Amino acid sequence: QKEVEQNSGPLSVPEGAIASLNCTYSDRGSQSFFWYRQYSGKSPELIMSIYSNGDKEDGRFTAQLNKASQYVSLLIRDSQPSDSATYLCAVTPGGKLTFGTGTRLTIIP
Amino acid sequence: DTAVSQTPKYLVTQMGNDKSIKCEQNLGHDTMYWYKQDSKKFLKIMFSYNNKELIINETVPNRFSPKSPDKAHLNLHINSLELGDSAVYFCASSQAVLGTDTQYFGPGTRLTVL
Repeated sequence: QKEVEQNSGPLSVPEGAIASLNCTYSDRGSQSFFWYRQYSGKSPELIMSIYSNGDKEDGRFTAQLNKASQYVSLLIRDSQPSDSATYLCAVTPGGKLTFGTGTRLTIIP
Repeated sequence: DTAVSQTPKYLVTQMGNDKSIKCEQNLGHDTMYWYKQDSKKFLKIMFSYNNKELIINETVPNRFSPKSPDKAHLNLHINSLELGDSAVYFCASSQAVLGTDTQYFGPGTRLTVL
């Protein structure tokens, strides 16, 4: 079992709709969870971090964490074409940042 | 006011050569990292240094040797380059010793081995 699993996509969402990205992880001891966005040819940039169960909102982005189910998700409301990118889920087993393979998101105008 | 910078941005070289990539951060962070992103875009940690001390050394061939002259710099030297070393290498930094807080990534170095 991979440490961090994501659906690779591509995920296509109409502009203005909600994009939902999911991630599962295997290490129950992980305490920190991150979503990074990576545009093609660019470096990853942090968009959300979450450390406790529940929802965390930041503008159009909401991260959801369920440690019992070992599941973390990212919702993007009012999707914009500029949201088209690869979204990387990252978890910290043993304090080491471990990435999933990423989900490629395309927002269709 | 670049936060994490890397040089060079592109590196094209022949198999068997030795090359180095340099990284500098001006964020005042104590911890720096090297990551490799392969052709399938999978991003994996290679090394981590905290205050010039190696704290994470993943299963990386010993042809790869990181060096941290001070806590603002982390360089990566690669000996006897192989075709499989072709990838994008990212440097990153964070304040925490372990990767439990936000990491800031450099722009990446695209290495192509011919």
